[in-house]
Amino acid sequence: DAGITQSPRHKVTETGTPVTLRCHQTENHRYMYWYRQDPGHGLRLIHYSYGVKDTDKGEVSDGYSVSRSKTEDFLLTLESATSSQTSVYFCAISDQRGPTDTQYFGPGTRLTVL
Amino acid sequence: QKEVEQDPGPLSVPEGAIVSLNCTYSNSAFQYFMWYRQYSRKGPELLMYTYSSGNKEDGRFTAQVDKSSKYISLFIRDSQPSDSATYLCAMRSTASKLTFGTGTRLQVTL
Repeated sequence: DAGITQSPRHKVTETGTPVTLRCHQTENHRYMYWYRQDPGHGLRLIHYSYGVKDTDKGEVSDGYSVSRSKTEDFLLTLESATSSQTSVYFCAISDQRGPTDTQYFGPGTRLTVL
Repeated sequence: QKEVEQDPGPLSVPEGAIVSLNCTYSNSAFQYFMWYRQYSRKGPELLMYTYSSGNKEDGRFTAQVDKSSKYISLFIRDSQPSDSATYLCAMRSTASKLTFGTGTRLQVTL
């Protein structure tokens, strides 16, 4: 987890409220990713960023938006949280894209939507 | 059918045993294979990375890839209680995103 922090680490919220999760890195890596991890599904990519203000969708992007205004910060927003978004969210970083891309993960944020 | 299949376990072994963890996959375009270890309430950490068929060894860990059978394995020799964790396989083709297995939970008992 060195060089990557996520905040908050735990959050309980109610259906319909907006939620923003933050990922902060000190490695100056170009690429940043948001995943969610659920039992029976493993890690699934939500969104990723390949530079400041450059983002793209992953396989489970519906209901999520992201922003990256600085190299070190990548924000994940749930505009109107639903119970299906209860999950553990992981941020990952890498310094290259492609076959040799090695991703390093943060400690995770446990989100519960009631 | 999922692209990557991994038995969720749990797998319980005594200390000192040899552990075999496995994944099968259906996408023949996958060329690069990784194993991550995830301790409880922590993020995954990369253990092994390989891109060719055959074996790759790193200390007590050996990663094995059989592309003809679409089957990868991670062997842990002389297993220790500190190896107790969930092990995730991950793989990709040359241009695709990383696809993860669901993870196998391993418990090494004293």
